[in-house]
Amino acid sequence: DIQMTQSPSSLSASVGDRVTITCRASESISSYLNWYQQKPGKAPKLLIYTASSLQSGVPSRFSGSGSGTDFTLTISSLQPEDFATYYCQQSYSTPPITFGQGTRLEIK
Amino acid sequence: EVQLVESGGGLVQPGGSLRLSCEASGFTFSRHAMSWVRQAPGKGLEWVSGISGSGGSTDYADSVKGRFTISRDNSKNTLYLQVNSLRADDTAVYYCVNGGSYYPLDYWGQGTLVTVSS
Repeated sequence: DIQMTQSPSSLSASVGDRVTITCRASESISSYLNWYQQKPGKAPKLLIYTASSLQSGVPSRFSGSGSGTDFTLTISSLQPEDFATYYCQQSYSTPPITFGQGTRLEIK
Repeated sequence: EVQLVESGGGLVQPGGSLRLSCEASGFTFSRHAMSWVRQAPGKGLEWVSGISGSGGSTDYADSVKGRFTISRDNSKNTLYLQVNSLRADDTAVYYCVNGGSYYPLDYWGQGTLVTVSS
């Protein structure tokens, strides 16, 4: 199974900050990497698919990059509604679909 | 508008069974792979099972293989998960999700809580 490792596990930042979250796969997954946002008590929401494609309706301050084993999710200017937990997920080698452990983004 | 509405969760004793359902609307259900993803309290996301659009291909996480069965009724636009031999570590919110295999998980239901406890 492909293991997904996110860093950091938690992050404190302020409104307006630029934030980057990293996801590393245990082997190459080409660009089959997706990012999700989850707010407390809510279902996850797809933000980015195939590493860099923005899901419809997602603000352009979110962007993704990377290929192979190393990927990043960047929020260019944090807004109050962006404080949430973020997960990466690989869809290259399935089953199983595997997720990173999550990155909790908190208000500083 | 895509909607996925789960039902069937609840409190069950260890060793018990439940049947989770997910009613889909707003898209051509039979053309889409579907998945179940769960989240234990305070924990991360875990993929549980997936099924092809036709229902002819199914996959399971090792942690549930032999105990859980995924199925679908395309005439009713409904996805199911039969969960048997439940254990305490199966306690989680179970999400019905559009997508799977090589495809992103692009729409999620609100989840149904399964609690396994005596």
